[in-house]
Amino acid sequence: TQLLEQSPQFLSIQEGENLTVYCNSSSVFSSLQWYRQEPGEGPVLLVTVVTGGEVKKLKRLTFQFGDARKDSSLHITAAQPGDTGLYLCAGGPQTGANNLFFGTGTRLTVIP
Amino acid sequence: ETGVTQTPRHLVMGMTNKKSLKCEQHLGHNAMYWYKQSAKKPLELMFVYSLEERVENNSVPSRFSPECPNSSHLFLHLHTLQPEDSALYLCASSQDAGLNTEAFFGQGTRLTVV
Repeated sequence: TQLLEQSPQFLSIQEGENLTVYCNSSSVFSSLQWYRQEPGEGPVLLVTVVTGGEVKKLKRLTFQFGDARKDSSLHITAAQPGDTGLYLCAGGPQTGANNLFFGTGTRLTVIP
Repeated sequence: ETGVTQTPRHLVMGMTNKKSLKCEQHLGHNAMYWYKQSAKKPLELMFVYSLEERVENNSVPSRFSPECPNSSHLFLHLHTLQPEDSALYLCASSQDAGLNTEAFFGQGTRLTVV
């Protein structure tokens, strides 16, 4: 089993603050994806990173894939209440397996 | 709107009932998936279909029976479930079932077994 651990598990911050969420594993992945899930909805894909060391920016969100392709981080600048949700990382296996391995999730609450 | 639609959104069923969950994707994808999301646990992959053929079954109990009549539709037939099967059941699709798969999820069916 390729386990992905996310930290912190819960995070509550004030609007305007910055935060970083981490996704770590002992396994190497061919790609790493980040999803956001709002209450009562399914996860929505935010970004996919495929190259070790890769950095992608999506407005106020910055995603980084570790050099060894075992870990990733998500940094949010000037958080807004609309950023509230469950953030999930998911790793694509190196072999030909047909599935993604999902992390344990970080539940973020941004207080107005 | 992700292009993946699940019905019903909510379902309450007794342990002796038989029900079915439905998923439809309008994205022209070739692969479809069933996931189970329980509180405090990572998403668990249940089944994978690629071009209407089941390619993965992650040791799911036989009381869950998937059906994929075509590449746009996926069903999950439920019978004699247990209370611990209560969870959010998510359907997803992707262009194919290979590496670097990007999944598009439906809104899920919240299932409660009483």
